Amino acid sequence: GIQVEQSPPDLILQEGANSTLRCNFSDSVNNLQWFHQNPWGQLINLFYIPSGTKQNGRLSATTVATERYSLLYISSSQTTDSGVYFCAGYRDDKIIFGKGTRLHILP
Amino acid sequence: DAGVIQSPRHEVTEMGQEVTLRCKPISGHNSLFWYRQTMMRGLELLIYFNNNVPIDDSGMPEDRFSAKMPNASFSTLKIQPSEPRDSAVYFCASSPLGVNTEAFFGQGTRLTVV
Repeated sequence: GIQVEQSPPDLILQEGANSTLRCNFSDSVNNLQWFHQNPWGQLINLFYIPSGTKQNGRLSATTVATERYSLLYISSSQTTDSGVYFCAGYRDDKIIFGKGTRLHILP
Repeated sequence: DAGVIQSPRHEVTEMGQEVTLRCKPISGHNSLFWYRQTMMRGLELLIYFNNNVPIDDSGMPEDRFSAKMPNASFSTLKIQPSEPRDSAVYFCASSPLGVNTEAFFGQGTRLTVV
């Protein structure tokens, strides 16, 4: 089956820093979604982005479907950005999650 | 819309007992998913439904697990008998137009089997 690799696995940053999270797929996917799991465990939709670039405030995402990767950018990070960021790919009626990037923003 | 609603939020039960988790999807969504999250295995898809019909249950770990969706606004995940290794957070999600459309997750049920 399709493998989803996320990098880095862990990231510690000072408040105000920028970061780039990456998601690689071993094969093509039909759609791709980014989630943020906050410290209380809630999974929050960030982007549904099969291709191209989307922006929402300080966050933006770019998916290059032909090269099988997606990037999530976080600018001017805040402590509330802490948590685990997951990407998930949709293929053959299955949704495959990566293992996530754990982000910790220091005040 | 209130989003995907799961109940209970927390459940502690003794090994061997039956556990039932409940989910109300977003109104109008026709796909519903059950996931399990553990530290070791991450997020795993257990089963999903399209228009109340189970489509893929290959992720259901064993016969002790069963899921039903009697109507478009309600689904249950049952574990009988429960075992300590079933301890996890169970998420329900729904999407408007099938698997390949954006999924929205509930807040999860944290299950502890002692």
